[in-house]
Amino acid sequence: SQTIHQWPATLVQPVGSPLSLECTVEGTSNPNLYWYRQAAGRGLQLLFYSVGIGQISSEVPQNLSASRPQDRQFILSSKKLLLSDSGFYLCAWSVAYSGNTIYFGEGSWLTVV
Amino acid sequence: SQQGEEDPQALSIQEGENATMNCSYKTSINNLQWYRQNSGRGLVHLILIRSNEREKHSGRLRVTLDTSKKSSSLLITASRAADTASYFCATACSFGGTSYGKLTFGQGTILTVHP
Repeated sequence: SQTIHQWPATLVQPVGSPLSLECTVEGTSNPNLYWYRQAAGRGLQLLFYSVGIGQISSEVPQNLSASRPQDRQFILSSKKLLLSDSGFYLCAWSVAYSGNTIYFGEGSWLTVV
Repeated sequence: SQQGEEDPQALSIQEGENATMNCSYKTSINNLQWYRQNSGRGLVHLILIRSNEREKHSGRLRVTLDTSKKSSSLLITASRAADTASYFCATACSFGGTSYGKLTFGQGTILTVHP
């Protein structure tokens, strides 16, 4: 069966510090991968999605970047965090080109202070 | 953007009652999905309804889709305290007959079921 792991679960970072959130998927190959952000427990905003290694699409301009160094690894990064980067970050995957169910990780709470 | 919008934003009911949540969207879709999120957790997929379907059931869940009105509803029957969560609808683009799996989520409905 497929599983998705996301870490760290929580982190508190000072403004201007770097960020690295990691996500790995097991039990599937060539998945679509996604990073979403959720503010204040409300709607999800798609930040990045990837259909293959090294292929990253950004949905919104921001202070963040994403990379996919391996087929089932997705990394969300920032060189210098802003207060507005605080939020709940969710990694997710889906079967390539299916347009169907997205499976989410447990999320990472980021507080920038 | 074809972001879904849920209505109501919050719903409070007693155990045993039915809960109905609505979702509206703006453009053509390939499918519409409903997800559930317990506080501080990841989202869990509940049910998917395709654009050529009008109604779908899964256990105590019933989803309807009206593409002419660009709306969907999620009905939870005989609710339980454990159903307390946020519920989100999400739409998948209709793009040349193939969806690339990008879902656009609404703002969610916060459901509270009192024992």
